[in-house]
Amino acid sequence: SQQGEEDPQALSIQEGENATMNCSYKTSINNLQWYRQNSGRGLVHLILIRSNEREKHSGRLRVTLDTSKKSSSLLITASRAADTASYFCATDTASKLTFGTGTRLQVTL
Amino acid sequence: NAGVTQTPKFRVLKTGQSMTLLCAQDMNHEYMYWYRQDPGMGLRLIHYSVGEGTTAKGEVPDGYNVSRLKKQNFLLGLESAAPSQTSVYFCASRDTSHSEQYFGPGTRLTVT
Repeated sequence: SQQGEEDPQALSIQEGENATMNCSYKTSINNLQWYRQNSGRGLVHLILIRSNEREKHSGRLRVTLDTSKKSSSLLITASRAADTASYFCATDTASKLTFGTGTRLQVTL
Repeated sequence: NAGVTQTPKFRVLKTGQSMTLLCAQDMNHEYMYWYRQDPGMGLRLIHYSVGEGTTAKGEVPDGYNVSRLKKQNFLLGLESAAPSQTSVYFCASRDTSHSEQYFGPGTRLTVT
């Protein structure tokens, strides 16, 4: 069964706008990671947040984690057309990742 | 560094045929993983390995076997393919110190 559920399933924004996607999960975790997948390609790791962290930044990415609510959010600021992709959260438990169902982001010019 | 490579990229099988998917990594990673990705379902773990000579079942292992005879290679076998195994298969690896996984480009398998 999927550990995470992502919301929204699809998101369409214009270049320059911010994109926020959310992830909820069910069990205790070591860390939570976000991955990007361009159409027809493998997944690429974006950012990792540990269970004792609440917020983390990397370039235009901001990730938050609320372990009491078992939820995380990924914010992409000042989006670009090249950000068009599917984004997946993944929870790390016992050296294994369990992936959410993903958010398809479309950034238009 | 090539990273994680997968062979083949595409394959069409008839029901009942067998095949082996090869994953290779050149990063000296201990851990390797096989996932399948189906529309609207994200990635699901089939089998994984925490070191040469070891394998373990993931979430959806039925119908698949794996072997890790060499540290750099992780093989996924389908002994008798079924249409339900039509999917995109991804291999990934990671080292022991970091949780992030490195993915291969995928193998698109169709079983008719």
